[in-house]
Amino acid sequence: GNSVTQMEGPVTLSEEAFLTINCTYTATGYPSLFWYVQYPGEGLQLLLKATKADDKGSNKGFEATYRKETTSFHLEKGSVQVSDSAVYFCALTRGIIQGAQKLVFGQGTRLTINP
Amino acid sequence: DVKVTQSSRYLVKRTGEKVFLECVQDMDHENMFWYRQDPGLGLRLIYFSYDVKMKEKGDIPEGYSVSREKKERFSLILESASTNQTSMYLCASTPGAGLNTEAFFGQGTRLTVV
Repeated sequence: GNSVTQMEGPVTLSEEAFLTINCTYTATGYPSLFWYVQYPGEGLQLLLKATKADDKGSNKGFEATYRKETTSFHLEKGSVQVSDSAVYFCALTRGIIQGAQKLVFGQGTRLTINP
Repeated sequence: DVKVTQSSRYLVKRTGEKVFLECVQDMDHENMFWYRQDPGLGLRLIYFSYDVKMKEKGDIPEGYSVSREKKERFSLILESASTNQTSMYLCASTPGAGLNTEAFFGQGTRLTVV
């Protein structure tokens, strides 16, 4: 079945460092791919998405490219800030039942940025 | 500002108690979901609902039930709470049919069963 594997955390970086959080997936068909972010004490919110191969999603300086040949959707940011400290979840569409889109999530990667 | 609101941030319940977790959304969304979040396991789907009074099991429905009597409200019920149900519970909603729709999440309820 469909699954998502993220790099294990926690990840700790200094401010202005380059960030990569790896995400690979296993899926049948052509799923859509998402990155969600969970800031401390809050629920998840959508960070970016890509719906087909070679699409690049971007938001708030973060980017991820849908790579079908490597089944990957790695999250990158050129210069991180303390405010980027959060837990990041990679997710993919697992299908639709009665109009409800089901998602499968990776295990999450906790990112801490030190000033 | 769109909102999914969960009734409690923190709950402590005793083993064997019947527990109700409430979720309300103000976006007129058709679909609502309950997940549990555990370290190293990510989010796992417990149940979801695609319409009033309609529900489908997710990946880990055992020990849980749900109720959706009104479109805006989706309740998760632990029939007899056990310590292995200690977790963070997240409610989410999405609009009607279609791929690639954004899921909106509540802030979570951290449940401890003692």
